Amino acid sequence: EVQLVESGGGLVQPGGSLRLSCAASGFTFSSYWMHWVRQAPGKGLVWVSRINSDGSSTTYADSVKGRFTISRDNAKNTLYLQMNSLRAEDTAVYYCTRDRGASYYDFDYWGQGTLVTVSS
Amino acid sequence: DIQMTQSPSSLSASVGDRVTITCRASQSISSYLNWYQQRPGKAPKLLIYAASSLQSGVPSRFSGSGSGTDFTLTISSLQPEDFATYYCQQSYITPRTFGQGTKLEIK
Repeated sequence: EVQLVESGGGLVQPGGSLRLSCAASGFTFSSYWMHWVRQAPGKGLVWVSRINSDGSSTTYADSVKGRFTISRDNAKNTLYLQMNSLRAEDTAVYYCTRDRGASYYDFDYWGQGTLVTVSS
Repeated sequence: DIQMTQSPSSLSASVGDRVTITCRASQSISSYLNWYQQRPGKAPKLLIYAASSLQSGVPSRFSGSGSGTDFTLTISSLQPEDFATYYCQQSYITPRTFGQGTKLEIK
């Protein structure tokens, strides 16, 4: 069974840092691109970042570029999101998702999400 | 970036109704269009991928159609568990933008 389990969320002050983790199981993690998607309270889904299967290529939304870094450890089956210079507008539930690839590129599995609150 | 616009933003319907939600892309995305369902407090769930392909395990009352810039999600006969928020998403290029969502409520 495919599972994605996020952790690392919490309360952080503006300007602070946080690292999110996403532990993957039930599939060959190293074969799939992965993404982070966030959802501010009461708002819609917003794509944040993606990383290719071997970690050599990354892309970011303009709103987080230069502040967030996506990475992965294929030996540990874990995806990461390092978030620096956090702002109030980064407050959201952060989901890790698996990119199916194979010409479809949908997000076929999602974690349960981890809440990040940026507030003083 | 490709903008995705859903309509309506909210919809009231009754159990057994047929419901259609539309999604328009700001440029052609071929068939790279996905639909997700999100129940309150839960993670999104993939329903339809590649515009019209039903994800494994999803009931056949859900269907998708369209190509290019205009797409629809249809629920043929609403069930109580279908009252949720629905999002379209383009997977043609990164950033993989989502529509703003359509909240389906019980009438």
